[in-house]
Amino acid sequence: DTAVSQTPKYLVTQMGNDKSIKCEQNLGHDTMYWYKQDSKKFLKIMFSYNNKELIINETVPNRFSPKSPDKAHLNLHINSLELGDSAVYFCASSQLTRDTEAFFGQGTRLTVV
Amino acid sequence: AQTVTQSQPEMSVQEAETVTLSCTYDTSESDYYLFWYKQPPSRQMILVIRQEAYKQQNATENRFSVNFQKAAKSFSLKISDSQLGDAAMYFCAYRSPRGGSNYKLTFGKGTLLTVNP
Repeated sequence: DTAVSQTPKYLVTQMGNDKSIKCEQNLGHDTMYWYKQDSKKFLKIMFSYNNKELIINETVPNRFSPKSPDKAHLNLHINSLELGDSAVYFCASSQLTRDTEAFFGQGTRLTVV
Repeated sequence: AQTVTQSQPEMSVQEAETVTLSCTYDTSESDYYLFWYKQPPSRQMILVIRQEAYKQQNATENRFSVNFQKAAKSFSLKISDSQLGDAAMYFCAYRSPRGGSNYKLTFGKGTLLTVNP
């Protein structure tokens, strides 16, 4: 039973389209994240939510809008896709006590053509 | 802002040998968490080992151990008896226990480890 699952795993779309990536965790964690991994494999935080509340929005363009309907879900909607949005997007979750790490989903490879 | 530096973009090791991956970080805090994650070609991010800064003892997980030097802000990963399955990109990461930085991991740029048979 997958702990953090995101769909789809691969997404190919044209410039200007709108797309969504869904994420669900069954670990009972209170915090969820979106990270972006660029073509050089660099991982950077985009958003984090704690108990459905947005905590971090790390200078991400307004075209990216996260939504957390409940603690177990964090979706990412992207409007007007651009070539530069091509990357791997990772969802992750954690429980913010002292001794926990973040658990990652499998990643979604987004290719904008 | 915290930064994490991995100075070795690529490393290689012979199967069964030992390799050490370097990581340094910059922070003004005294309490924090450090992690090593592994990303094999499957793309999955897998936790290898973690260290709490308040613990002086170096963390160990089977063949993986760290050398945590708090004063030097250094957190290196040692892989003993390297196996072909260890081949992956390895990321060092930092998390603060407080404030906004509590809600994110700051990653280094990664070290690509090749294991030669």
